[in-house]
Amino acid sequence: GENVEQHPSTLSVQEGDSAVIKCTYSDSASNYFPWYKQELGKGPQLIIDIRSNVGEKKDQRIAVTLNKTAKHFSLHITETQPEDSAVYFCAASLGSGTYKYIFGTGTRLKVLA
Amino acid sequence: NAGVTQTPKFQVLKTGQSMTLQCAQDMNHEYMSWYRQDPGMGLRLIHYSVGAGITDQGEVPNGYNVSRSTTEDFPLRLLSAAPSQTSVYFCASARDSSRTEQYFGPGTRLTVT
Repeated sequence: GENVEQHPSTLSVQEGDSAVIKCTYSDSASNYFPWYKQELGKGPQLIIDIRSNVGEKKDQRIAVTLNKTAKHFSLHITETQPEDSAVYFCAASLGSGTYKYIFGTGTRLKVLA
Repeated sequence: NAGVTQTPKFQVLKTGQSMTLQCAQDMNHEYMSWYRQDPGMGLRLIHYSVGAGITDQGEVPNGYNVSRSTTEDFPLRLLSAAPSQTSVYFCASARDSSRTEQYFGPGTRLTVT
């Protein structure tokens, strides 16, 4: 079946440094790629998303890049802060006309003060 | 505007018992879905609904039933609980089934002994 691989599973960075999380998807028909942040004891919250007709999208300190040819997409967080510490999930839509998503297995980000 | 609410927050069941996890949203969203989250496996789609009276299966539907009699509510039923259903369950809603932001509830932690 289709899948999304996410790396690394854990990531520790110093406050102020950048963090990069990478995902690879298998369904060539995927056309929507959201990223979620999950804090302890809470549900995931969308932080940024990108559609297949765009190569990069930025929102303040957060950016996402998409390489459709390689089926890769990445989350970049610059100037990390302690409140960025959380678990981050990538996801990819299944097919071009379905309402289903495949999620990555998550990355636990720790920002060290 | 409470967003997506889930009850209960915690539940312990014995094998073979039945129960219903409740999910409600007050945003008049068409699309609602149920996920389970297990360690190291990300979020997996159980069932989803694109509107009142319309439901469909996700990635892991076995052992679960759903119905959507109103726009607001989307309960998940476990007819005969099994230890393999021990997990954290999240309900989510979206404005429609196109590629738009999904809003997640706070989750229900279920333990089946």
